[in-house]
Amino acid sequence: GDSVTQMEGPVTLSEEAFLTINCTYTATGYPSLFWYVQYPGEGLQLLLKATKADDKGSNKGFEATYRKETTSFHLEKGSVQVSDSAVYFCARENSGYSTLTFGKGTMLLVSP
Amino acid sequence: DAGITQSPRYKITETGRQVTLMCHQTWSHSYMFWYRQDLGHGLRLIYYSAAADITDKGEVPDGYVVSRSKTENFPLTLESATRSQTSVYFCASTPTSGRAWEQYFGPGTRLTVT
Repeated sequence: GDSVTQMEGPVTLSEEAFLTINCTYTATGYPSLFWYVQYPGEGLQLLLKATKADDKGSNKGFEATYRKETTSFHLEKGSVQVSDSAVYFCARENSGYSTLTFGKGTMLLVSP
Repeated sequence: DAGITQSPRYKITETGRQVTLMCHQTWSHSYMFWYRQDLGHGLRLIYYSAAADITDKGEVPDGYVVSRSKTENFPLTLESATRSQTSVYFCASTPTSGRAWEQYFGPGTRLTVT
């Protein structure tokens, strides 16, 4: 079935370091792809999206490019802040009724 | 304030008891979802609903029952709670099919089954 695989965490970085969180998906067609973020004690919220191949989603300094050749959607940020500490989920849209398949999540911890 | 709310936020119950988790949204979104979040499993879909009186199973529906008599409410019932159902439960909604990125999540309910 449809699945999303993302790197295990936690990812521990110092402030202003470069961030990459890897995500790959199984491809049946060209699903829309997403990154969601979950701050401590809160529900998930959409961070960015890409709806077709080669699209680049971006928001709050985060970027991810839809790579159909490698079925990947890696999340990057050039300079992380302490406030970016959260759990990040990669997700793909499933065909039909707007359901999503989520990866297992990657915890990011940024220290000052 | 418009939004999606869940109640209770925290619940402790005993094995075998029935528990109902409530979800309410004020946007009149058509689609609503229940997920559970567990360490090592991420988020998994339990049930979803495309409209009032239309529900369907997700990835992990066993042991759960849902109903949707009104568009704005989507309660999730554990008919006979088990320890394996200890989890954080999230409700979400989205206005239309084909726009899955517009899922808005509630704050979650942390359920502990003893």
